[in-house]
Amino acid sequence: QVQLQQSGTELVKPASSVKISCKASGYTFTSNYMHWIRQQPGNGLEWIGWIYPGNGNTKYNQKFDGKATLTADKSSSTAYMQLSSLTSEDSAVYFCARDGSPFAYWGQGTLVTVSS
Amino acid sequence: EIVLTQSPTTMAASPGEKVTITCRASSSVSYMHWFQQKSGTSPKPWIYDTSKLASGVPDRFSGSGSGTSYSLTISSMEAEDAATYYCLQRSSYPLTFGSGTKLEIK
Repeated sequence: QVQLQQSGTELVKPASSVKISCKASGYTFTSNYMHWIRQQPGNGLEWIGWIYPGNGNTKYNQKFDGKATLTADKSSSTAYMQLSSLTSEDSAVYFCARDGSPFAYWGQGTLVTVSS
Repeated sequence: EIVLTQSPTTMAASPGEKVTITCRASSSVSYMHWFQQKSGTSPKPWIYDTSKLASGVPDRFSGSGSGTSYSLTISSMEAEDAATYYCLQRSSYPLTFGSGTKLEIK
């Protein structure tokens, strides 16, 4: 069965960077888009962008240009999102979600807390 | 950017009551998709392509709409339906979600 296993909670300092992972299993990793979605505390959902692991192509929400960088490692079937220049506004739960009618499968979410 | 406006923001329904949640788009979209999220968990796909139920979704749920106006309906509210529901459009970039409707049981 399809599973997306995300990395654990991160506590990071302002102005630093963090890289979170999403390990996929149960399907052909290179054949499906992987999306990333942000949920700030008590707030709704925001689409960050997608990566197509088959060729590394990416598409970003302009709001996250320069903030998020999406990559994928085909050898380990793992998608990554690096967030840079972190501020308190970046404190949120970040989800990966595999495409398919749409966002048919979600990771459990990674909590990122930005605090000094 | 297409803005999705959901209404109501919050509501409470009694068991057996009919519930309708609306999602209005600032521009026409081809389809609307819906997700259910319960506290502390990941969103679940609920309705896709406007009216198709995701796997495991009870048939008391339905979806309809076109253009700029879409809705999710529960024919008879049950306690397990209490959750936050989000609409999503993927007709144009950036993909956007509605702000959510929190549905509670009375």
